Amino acid sequence: NAGVTQTPKFQVLKTGQSMTLQCAQDMNHEYMSWYRQDPGMGLRLIHYSVGAGITDQGEVPNGYNVSRSTTEDFPLRLLSAAPSQTSVYFCASRPGTEDQPQHFGDGTRLSIL
Amino acid sequence: EDQVTQSPEALRLQEGESSSLNCSYTVSGLRGLFWYRQDPGKGPEFLFTLYSAGEEKEKERLKATLTKKESFLHITAPKPEDSATYLCAVQAASGGSYIPTFGRGTSLIVHP
Repeated sequence: NAGVTQTPKFQVLKTGQSMTLQCAQDMNHEYMSWYRQDPGMGLRLIHYSVGAGITDQGEVPNGYNVSRSTTEDFPLRLLSAAPSQTSVYFCASRPGTEDQPQHFGDGTRLSIL
Repeated sequence: EDQVTQSPEALRLQEGESSSLNCSYTVSGLRGLFWYRQDPGKGPEFLFTLYSAGEEKEKERLKATLTKKESFLHITAPKPEDSATYLCAVQAASGGSYIPTFGRGTSLIVHP
């Protein structure tokens, strides 16, 4: 059972480039989310989805786009990368009920030059 | 607004020196409080869920407790392999919110 798989693990971009961070889960979880983690800031929610076809914004959505066409996949798109988006990005999933814990991937370390 | 505050930010212990990490929270109706462990270069790993005041959960050297305002993660006779960042998160019951609120974590270092 792979759990939550994130690709790539590392990426370096130039300012203005776009890219997609991939997230896939094989647990048939309804809820999926994207966080960024920066030193001293903790985990900050970017976007989340409560099921296929349904997405919503979190605390820091600007500069990011998401879609949820299947239960398994929840890609995060950087539209035009900026140095402020240098961070570690984590994807998480959980069953549909709010009293269940999230399962996290191992992250994508992204540097924007 | 839901709030979660973890203290201390960092904690250094000698091997075998027991201590506690604190997670204070303010939510309008608690659905669950979660503890996670995060190792460097890894994603958070789930440890415990607590649902109501008075509840306790144990796993090896870790014991989590819950009151109406805070949770403690007690570490008994820690070993160097317990070194990690410990995160607390709360899920509120209010208004159908699906979003848990995370604290900023406590970085624990256990010296041999």
